[in-house]
Amino acid sequence: AQSVTQPDIHITVSEGASLELRCNYSYGATPYLFWYVQSPGQGLQLLLKYFSGDTLVQGIKGFEAEFKRSQSSFNLRKPSVHWSDAAEYFCAVVSQGAQKLVFGQGTRLTINP
Amino acid sequence: IAGITQAPTSQILAAGRRMTLRCTQDMRHNAMYWYRQDLGLGLRLIHYSNTAGTTGKGEVPDGYSVSRANTDDFPLTLASAVPSQTSVYFCASMGYSGELFFGEGSRLTVL
Repeated sequence: AQSVTQPDIHITVSEGASLELRCNYSYGATPYLFWYVQSPGQGLQLLLKYFSGDTLVQGIKGFEAEFKRSQSSFNLRKPSVHWSDAAEYFCAVVSQGAQKLVFGQGTRLTINP
Repeated sequence: IAGITQAPTSQILAAGRRMTLRCTQDMRHNAMYWYRQDLGLGLRLIHYSNTAGTTGKGEVPDGYSVSRANTDDFPLTLASAVPSQTSVYFCASMGYSGELFFGEGSRLTVL
């Protein structure tokens, strides 16, 4: 069965520190990969996506993610976090040709001043 | 502004009552989805529709029904609400590049 795992339920980092949020997936073929962000009381906003080509993708708000096929991972990174980055982050996957996204459980990011 | 509109934003409902959450999109997307979001469980798919006139069951369909009479509207109905259906519900549509566009959510409390 298709699945997405975000191993970290909650991460706390200091403002200005670097960030990496982990995402692992289980799929039979190369999937389409997404990261979404959800601020409190809001809907989900797309940060970035990977379909094919360059395995390092750039997104909005200074985020990037790297697709590593050998590790079935699509980790999200940011060199220096800002207090406004505090939110819940979701990794999502859909297999090519399918029309249903499968979401991870989410990682809640807290920023210390 | 184009997007997904959900209503109501928030609702408190007595157990046993019928409730319909409305969802409308103006992007002419074929595929639409209803998710529920619960703490620690992420987003779970309730029902989906690949195109007008068709619907399908997701991961947690029991107690919910949907219809897709046209491209724009995708209402979710709780025939007889139970407290375990207390949740935040998100409607979404799939864009032409595969990404989902979400509404702002409907917070439902069943007492």
